Amino acid sequence: DTEVTQTPKHLVMGMTNKKSLKCEQHMGHRAMYWYKQKAKKPPELMFVYSYEKLSINESVPSRFSPECPNSSLLNLHLHALQPEDSALYLCASSQDRYRVNTEAFFGQGTRLTVV
Amino acid sequence: AQTVTQSQPEMSVQEAETVTLSCTYDTSESDYYLFWYKQPPSRQMILVIRQEAYKQQNATENRFSVNFQKAAKSFSLKISDSQLGDAAMYFCALYSNYQLIWGAGTKLIIKP
Repeated sequence: DTEVTQTPKHLVMGMTNKKSLKCEQHMGHRAMYWYKQKAKKPPELMFVYSYEKLSINESVPSRFSPECPNSSLLNLHLHALQPEDSALYLCASSQDRYRVNTEAFFGQGTRLTVV
Repeated sequence: AQTVTQSQPEMSVQEAETVTLSCTYDTSESDYYLFWYKQPPSRQMILVIRQEAYKQQNATENRFSVNFQKAAKSFSLKISDSQLGDAAMYFCALYSNYQLIWGAGTKLIIKP
C-alpha cells in the first residue's frame, strides 16, 4: 500500500464554520506534512510532524490547527477561515524527515473553498 | 539560501516527440536529492524520477531521464515519445538540509 488518502476531496465552508481535513497512510512513514497549494503554484509547506510530534510550523495562522493522533493519521482543523484560504490542501508522508533520500508520497488533496 | 529555478512556465510538444524541461538549483550542502514531480489535472503529486547528488550516473525511468550536471547545478528532465497522459504541471524539487524546496513549475502541453 503506497497510498496517502485524504478526505474529503472537496469542501465548501463558510467563514464561521469549523471543519476538519483528514489524511491517512499505512506505509509506516514517520513524517507527515500539510501543504497549501494555490493554482499553478508549487506547494507551500504548512506543518511537519515527525514521530507524531510537531516539528515545523511555517508561521501558519492559528485558524489552522494540526493534529497527529497516531503515526498513521494527520488532521487539519479549520476554524474562522478567510476567502484567501481557499486552495488545494495536500497531505504527504515520508519514511523519515531526517533522511536525505526521503521520498514524499502525496495524497490527492482537498479542494477547499471558503465562502 | 537554497533555491530551485524553473525558467519555462509552459512548454508544448507534439505527441511522440521528445521534450526537455529545465531546472537549476542552488545549495551549499554536499548531500542532497533532486526530484521531478508531476501533477496532472487529477491534482495528485506523483514522483517521476529522483537523483542522488553523489551518483554521477543520470537516473532513468522508462521514457523519463534526467541530465544531471552537478558542477553547473542543473537537473533537466527529458521525456521521450511524449504521450497525451504526460500533460501536467512538472515541478523540480531539491531535498537538502531537511527541507524540500520547490521550483515554480512548468506546464507541459501535449499536442495530438
